[in-house]
Amino acid sequence: EVQLVESGGGLVKPGGSLRLSCAASGFTFSSVWMGWVRQAPGQGLEWVGRVKTKPEGAATDYAAPVKGRFTISRDDSKNTIYLQMDSLKTEDTGVYYCTTRLPATASYWGRGTLVTVSS
Amino acid sequence: QTVVTQEPSLTVSPGGTVTLTCASSTGAVASDYYPSWFQQKPGQAPRALIYSTSNRHSWTPARFSGSLLGGKAALTVSNVQPEDEADYYCLLFYGGPQVWVFGGGTKLTVL
Repeated sequence: EVQLVESGGGLVKPGGSLRLSCAASGFTFSSVWMGWVRQAPGQGLEWVGRVKTKPEGAATDYAAPVKGRFTISRDDSKNTIYLQMDSLKTEDTGVYYCTTRLPATASYWGRGTLVTVSS
Repeated sequence: QTVVTQEPSLTVSPGGTVTLTCASSTGAVASDYYPSWFQQKPGQAPRALIYSTSNRHSWTPARFSGSLLGGKAALTVSNVQPEDEADYYCLLFYGGPQVWVFGGGTKLTVL
C-alpha cells in the first residue's frame, strides 16, 4: 500500500524558513518522480514543484510563485523528499501535500501538513 | 501567466449525467497536456480520478470518464451518486516551461 506522510509544518514569521519532509513507503521510491502541491485556506489546489529520479539528475521544476525561494530534494536512502522553503510570505500559508507520479503526476497524495506564515 | 479555467459550480440530480470542462488560456487542450482530474471532499486530501486524458486509476468508479471535447478536457460523471458531491480539479502540463497548472475547481452539488 502506497503511503505518504508529511511533517514539518508550523507557524513561521514572514521572511523565515521552514523545511517539510515526506516519508514514502509501499513502492520503489527511487524510481518515481515526487512532488508537492499546496492549498491555501478555502482556496483551490496549486502545483508547487517536482523532483525527478537520481538517474535523471534529480532535476527539479517549480511554479513561478515559488521559484528561487523553494527547493525540492530527495534522499533515496530514506525514501524521503524535502521541501525547503525560504523567504516565506503570508501568501505561502496553506496545507502542503506530498504527491507521487505513479503512474502519473499526483496519483497518490499524503494527508498534508499545515504551514502558517504570520507575524 | 497561464490560466486554467473550470466552471465554478454545477448542480446535477442523482442518477443524472454531468460534464465538467477544463480550458487553457494558451489555446485548445490536447493529449500532450496530459489532462488529469481530482476529487476533493471537505476536510480530505484530494484523490486522483483520471490521468492522461481518459485513463482511470484502479480505484476510480467506471461512472467517471475523461475525454477531450471542443478544445477542452472534460470529465463526465454518469449515473451520479450522492457521494459524488465534491470539488473537482483538473491539472494540465505545459511542456515549454515544464510546469503543471491546476484549474480553479468546480463545486459539484448533487440535489
